[in-house]
Amino acid sequence: SQQGEEDPQALSIQEGENATMNCSYKTSINNLQWYRQNSGRGLVHLILIRSNEREKHSGRLRVTLDTSKKSSSLLITASRAADTASYFCATDRYAGGTSYGKLTFGQGTILTVHP
Amino acid sequence: DGGITQSPKYLFRKEGQNVTLSCEQNLNHDAMYWYRQDPGQGLRLIYYSQIVNDFQKGDIAEGYSVSREKKESFPLTVTSAQKNPTAFYLCASSRLAGGHEENEQFFGPGTRLTVL
Repeated sequence: SQQGEEDPQALSIQEGENATMNCSYKTSINNLQWYRQNSGRGLVHLILIRSNEREKHSGRLRVTLDTSKKSSSLLITASRAADTASYFCATDRYAGGTSYGKLTFGQGTILTVHP
Repeated sequence: DGGITQSPKYLFRKEGQNVTLSCEQNLNHDAMYWYRQDPGQGLRLIYYSQIVNDFQKGDIAEGYSVSREKKESFPLTVTSAQKNPTAFYLCASSRLAGGHEENEQFFGPGTRLTVL
């Protein structure tokens, strides 16, 4: 089963609106990361939130983490057409105080922002 | 200009042939990874290497092989034993190779492999 699963699978909004994507996972984690992928390209790291953090901001991005519910959300405020991409969450699984050094990716949310 | 390069961008292979995908990084990262991405899907880990001359199987290693003779290079060979090799292949690297909290990964632009 997927360690990280995003919801919704696809999201379509107008420029200026906010976009919220959710991620659920199953096992204990060291940290959770969000990545962005433009069509046919490699992934780009957006933000990392540690297991002892609840919220983190970076520019127009806001990430929350609820370890009791094993879930995270990514909020993009004041979206732009250039934000159109796929967004993936990735979990770094916990291994007794250390990281495995591997990430497990979800299936992603396809975000389309209409001008 | 630091980063990860992958070549070629597009690769066509006949059934029964082995092909090798190149991945090079000049970020001085210890760890390197290979992922496979199918249409509309997330990334699945094929192989990873945390140090030169050492590598481990990921979740879908069957039909693939790798080597890590140099820190900068982590080539992936797709063998004829891989039954469904058509996919988008992504290489990544990270500074930290486990045992630490933060292991942000940096990705190359990908190689799209098509089996004819």
